[in-house]
Amino acid sequence: EAQVTQNPRYLITVTGKKLTVTCSQNMNHEYMSWYRQDPGLGLRQIYYSMNVEVTDKGDVPEGYKVSRKEKRNFPLILESPSPNQTSLYFCASTLTGTPSGANVLTFGAGSRLTVL
Amino acid sequence: KNQVEQSPQSLIILEGKNCTLQCNYTVSPFSNLRWYKQDTGRGPVSLTIMTFSENTKSNGRYTATLDADTKQSSLHITASQLSDSASYICVVRALYGQNFVFGPGTRLSVLP
Repeated sequence: EAQVTQNPRYLITVTGKKLTVTCSQNMNHEYMSWYRQDPGLGLRQIYYSMNVEVTDKGDVPEGYKVSRKEKRNFPLILESPSPNQTSLYFCASTLTGTPSGANVLTFGAGSRLTVL
Repeated sequence: KNQVEQSPQSLIILEGKNCTLQCNYTVSPFSNLRWYKQDTGRGPVSLTIMTFSENTKSNGRYTATLDADTKQSSLHITASQLSDSASYICVVRALYGQNFVFGPGTRLSVLP
């Protein structure tokens, strides 16, 4: 089944304890991205990747890191989590980042992170 | 700055009634616009896509319209069902650049 898989789905951690949220897709998509969703604010892009070894900042990259060493994986790293990073996170992918393509984003199920 | 606005912010209707959600955008030059449905706590799922040359497109009980001149789109839901309760997100892509521009969404609640 074509899908985007995120782990963990739920996580409670403490301030300053490094954590990684994994994202994997099995559709051979070139474009992958991370979003956070907070009440009343909609989805905001954190980082995106056009292809392997190509990443760029989205609208809210502060406090996050990403890497794209393999096409299928795009982990989100919080080096020193803070309470303002408590949020619902979504990973998404699409075949290509070319804007002229009618690309549909396939989203993961979400990862709910709480930082105490 | 590329922006997408949606209205209303939230909407409550009775089962079986119709409703229309609005999306206004300033993204230029325009490539396409897609409506997503997001159930609570789950990832958004695409409902329909509108390109520059399209005015209307239907997907079952969902009908999307696009007016590229006024930069407006609407999503009309016919004969609503309880399962239509969700957030509906308008996402626009410009012809240049890598970002998808997301609207804040409209929260629809369908009551029995």
